[in-house]
Amino acid sequence: AQSVAQPEDQVNVAEGNPLTVKCTYSVSGNPYLFWYVQYPNRGLQFLLKYITGDNLVKGSYGFEAEFNKSQTSFHLKKPSALVSDSALYFCAVRDGKAAGNKLTFGGGTRVLVKP
Amino acid sequence: GAVVSQHPSWVICKSGTSVKIECRSLDFQATTMFWYRQFPKQSLMLMATSNEGSKATYEQGVEKDKFLINHASLTLSTLTVTSAHPEDSSFYICSARDGRGQGSNQPQHFGDGTRLSIL
Repeated sequence: AQSVAQPEDQVNVAEGNPLTVKCTYSVSGNPYLFWYVQYPNRGLQFLLKYITGDNLVKGSYGFEAEFNKSQTSFHLKKPSALVSDSALYFCAVRDGKAAGNKLTFGGGTRVLVKP
Repeated sequence: GAVVSQHPSWVICKSGTSVKIECRSLDFQATTMFWYRQFPKQSLMLMATSNEGSKATYEQGVEKDKFLINHASLTLSTLTVTSAHPEDSSFYICSARDGRGQGSNQPQHFGDGTRLSIL
C-alpha cells in the first residue's frame, strides 16, 4: 500500500520569507511524486513532479521540491513567498512499478502568507 | 498545457433529482479518468477510475448504482449522481491522465470541480 503524510495542517509565513511544506511518503516500488495547489472552489493545479533524475525539481511559480530517498520525503519549497501563494497544497505519490496505479494524496496543507 | 474541462461548476437541486457532471480532456486523449469527492477542509477521496470503453472501477464503499460513470470516448467521462440526497452534497473533481507515451510518468490534470448542493 502507498501513503502520503503532510504533517502540518497549516503553515503561516510572512511575505518574502522562505516557504516549506513538508511531505513524506511510503510506497513499495519506485515513487512518482507530485505537488498540486488548490485555490478555493477550484480543482488542483499541477506544480511539479519527481520521476527520476535530479533530486531537486523545479516547477511552476518559483516552487521547487527536493526528493530525499533516505528520508522518504519530498518537501515543497519557495525561497520567497507571495501573498498569492496562499492556498491548499497537496502532495501525492504513485507507485512507478505498478501500471495504471492510482494517485494517493496527502491530507493537504493550508498555506497562509501574510503581507 | 493540458486542460480538463468540468461542467457544471455549481449545481443546486432538489432531493431526488439526478445530476450529471461532465469531464472533458480538451487537448489530449485520456484513456483513464478519475472521479474524486472532497469534503470541506479535507483531502480528495478517490471514488472511481473510469476507463474508456469499459466499466468503471469503484473504490470500496462507493455505491456504483448511486454514482454512475460513463467513459464513452477518449475525451469524455460523465458522473451521474442518481436520486441525489443532501448527504451527497459535496465538491466533485474529475481528473484525467494523458494516455500518450509513458502515461504513468505524466501528472494527472484536474478539472475545476463541481459543487453539488442538494436541498
